[in-house]
Parts: sequence; C-alpha cells; structure tokens
Amino acid sequence: DVKVTQSSRYLVKRTGEKVFLECVQDMDHENMFWYRQDPGLGLRLIYFSYDVKMKEKGDIPEGYSVSREKKERFSLILESASTNQTSMYLCASSLPSGLREQFFGPGTRLTVL
Amino acid sequence: AQKVTQAQTEISVVEKEDVTLDCVYETRDTTYYLFWYKQPPSGELVFLIRRNSFDEQNEISGRYSWNFQKSTSSFNFTITASQVVDSAVYFCALGGGATNKLIFGTGTLLAVQP
Repeated sequence: DVKVTQSSRYLVKRTGEKVFLECVQDMDHENMFWYRQDPGLGLRLIYFSYDVKMKEKGDIPEGYSVSREKKERFSLILESASTNQTSMYLCASSLPSGLREQFFGPGTRLTVL
Repeated sequence: AQKVTQAQTEISVVEKEDVTLDCVYETRDTTYYLFWYKQPPSGELVFLIRRNSFDEQNEISGRYSWNFQKSTSSFNFTITASQVVDSAVYFCALGGGATNKLIFGTGTLLAVQP
C-alpha cells in the first residue's frame, strides 16, 4: 500500500520559532509537493520538488523554504513562524511524467500562537 | 491563467438522494488533465479520478460518475444514492502545460444526513 507520511498531525508553535515539517514517501516518486489548506481558499501550492536538491516556488512561497536531500523526504521550513501561517499543511508526491495523480499525506495542523 | 471554480461551497442531502458537484475550469492549454479528490473528516485527500482533455467519455465507477464537457469547460461529479460515508470535502483540480502543478478549486463540503 502506497504511503505518504507526515511527522506530526498537530503542532503548536510560538511566533518567531523555526518550524520543520517533515514528509516521507515510500513510492519512489520523483515529484513532491507542499500545500497549505485554508477555509474558502482550497489548496495552495507552496513549493514543489521534481528531484533531489531541486525545488521550485509555488504560488505562495513567502515565509517558507524547503529541503530535499533524499528522494523520499521533503521538508518544509518556516524560518520564523507567524500567526498567519496557522494552517493545515499537506504533503503530496507523484510520478514525474504526464501529470500523474498526487498521493497525499494525512496533513499537519499547525497553530502558531 | 488556469483557474478552477467550485461554486457550491456546501451541499446537504439526505441519504439515498443523488447529488452533483459542479466544477468549471479555465485554461489555455490544449492538453490538460482534470482530477477529483475526496477529503474525509480524517483529513487525507483521496484520489478519485484523472481525465485528460482528449477523452470526453463519461466515466462511471460504482455509485460515482463523472461528466466531462469541453464545450462548457466543466467536469461534474455525481454521486448516486448517496450514503453517510460520502460526507467529505470534494476538490476538483486542473493540471497542464509544462509543469506538474495542479490548481485546486476551493472545494465543496458534502454532508449526507441519515
């Protein structure tokens, strides 16, 4: 059974903290994605990666960075968390070609106080 | 620019009713893909269907069916004889062009009452 896992389901952090969200997939997928989901806004792409050490900005990259040192792991980093980054964060992965379906993790609900 | 519109924010039906979730898209690409995902209360998005722009055949999978019409830029999703387990947020998504990015709609919350 294919699987995308995220390090935490719920996370509470304070303003100004550095936050790491981890995502691991076991499907040997080249592509990995980070989205945030907010009510009324759907899913918005923060960053994606199509290979190890490769990354591209999505639609809302400000305030975030990413790291992909190994194919199976894609990390989202909030350099200095702010209250407007309180959200649900979803990680996904997919095969590289033909716009294949993305497989999602269970999400991390981050609250920044 | 690409865009996906799901005008129905929330729908409430009684079990066994049929329900249609609307999805309208905008794109200038000639080759593109459309997707539907289900997000149950547990939070994990579940892939339902992927359709490319050259295949306008309707698809049926059990109680689920999809109607793709390029003339109206729509890719609607119908659940027949709805069940309580169908309660979820449903997202329509569009992908195309040179990237592997998907553009998601804002989702439709479906509540099926017993």
